[in-house]
This record gives sequence, C-alpha cells and structure tokens, in this order.
Amino acid sequence: DIVMTQSPDSLAVSLGERATINCKSSQTVLYNSNNKNYLAWYQQKPGQPPKLLIYWASTRKSGVPDRFSGSGSGTDFTLTISSLQAEDVAVYYCQQYYSAPSGAYTFGQGTKVEIK
Amino acid sequence: EVQLVESGGGLVQPGGSLRLSCAASEFTLSSAWMSWVRQAPGKGLEWVAKIGGGESYVDSVKGRFTISRDNAKNSLFLQMNSLRIDDTAIYYCASGGDGGSFDYWGQGTLVTVSS
Repeated sequence: DIVMTQSPDSLAVSLGERATINCKSSQTVLYNSNNKNYLAWYQQKPGQPPKLLIYWASTRKSGVPDRFSGSGSGTDFTLTISSLQAEDVAVYYCQQYYSAPSGAYTFGQGTKVEIK
Repeated sequence: EVQLVESGGGLVQPGGSLRLSCAASEFTLSSAWMSWVRQAPGKGLEWVAKIGGGESYVDSVKGRFTISRDNAKNSLFLQMNSLRIDDTAIYYCASGGDGGSFDYWGQGTLVTVSS
C-alpha cells in the first residue's frame, strides 16, 4: 500500500498569515498516461465529517475559497492556506487514489491547524 | 443539495454483527461508486470498502465486512460480522468524486465494540 506522510502534525499560525502543510507519498501518485496526480485534500472541523477541498492535487472543488491551493507532483505535495481565517481551524488530510483500481485508498495521518 | 444519512450504529459485543445503512437524497447512488470510511476515536481517516465496478476492502476487514447497495431504495449498506474492538469508530459513507476522491460525506454513525 502507498503510505502517505504529512508534516507537520500540527501548526499554529496567526490570523491572516500563511499556513503550509506537506504530504509525501511512499511512491508516485502521478499517472504518466494522463499526467494527473491522484491526490486529494480534505478539511475536517471538530464534530463534522471531512470535506473535500482539492482533487487532482491542485483542482479546487467548487465553492472552496481561493485562499486554499494545492501544489506538487509525483510524491511531494503541499496544501497552502494563503491567509488563515478563524474558520480554517481544522484537521487537514491528504489522500491518494492512485491505487483506486484495486480499491486501496490511503490517507495521511492529518495535520491540525490552530490559531497562534 | 446532496445528502447522505447513515444509520445502524450502536454498541455491540466482540464477535457480534451490525448492518450500517446510508440513505441518499438529491443524489442517485447507483450512478457513482461509493465507499465507507471510518475514524476511530481521536484518530485519522481509514478507507474501509468501496462498491462500483466491483467491491474492494481494506485488508483488516476482508472476509468480515460486505458492502452492498439497493438501487431501488437509493441506499448503501455495510454488513459487519465478527466485530473486533479495533473496529470501534465513526463510520462515514462517502460518494466517489473525480478519479477517486471522496466528494460528499454523511455525518457518520458510531460503532462501539465492547464487552
């Protein structure tokens, strides 16, 4: 199985400042045939289910604020919150779906974002 | 607005069984692949099972859990047998999005396996 490792486990950022979360996969999640990275990012607020933010590593889901952006390719990815808002306090997860044909989807361990 | 509503969770003894349900509204469940994802208390997310183009399972539940759906009822199910203490978690149903992301999620149902 592809192992997803996020860093850091937690971070505290001042309101209006940038938050950066990293995600590394144990093998590539880039399909050469279509040049797509099979990686998504989710936000989970306390007591709520996860919410899809970004898929294909950098495509923002409709309705997601543009302060959220995803980047990276192959095995190294980043979720950036350009200007942290109070409502962004949450745990963020990356997830690979490169292994989708065999159904083995895996998540990172999560990164908790708090206000400094 | 798409809604997924899980039910069927509860307290069960080790070795017991439960059947979880997920009812969909404003969404045709048969048109998409669907999954169950679980989250143990205070822990991260773990994909459990998928249906759509066949069924697949995480290794830890193979042979014990069965995913199915009833298109007429627009519902998804997870039959869980031989439950173990480490199956304790909130179980979410989630619809498949682009590629293999999980587009919509229910609120979850809590399964507690304890003697």
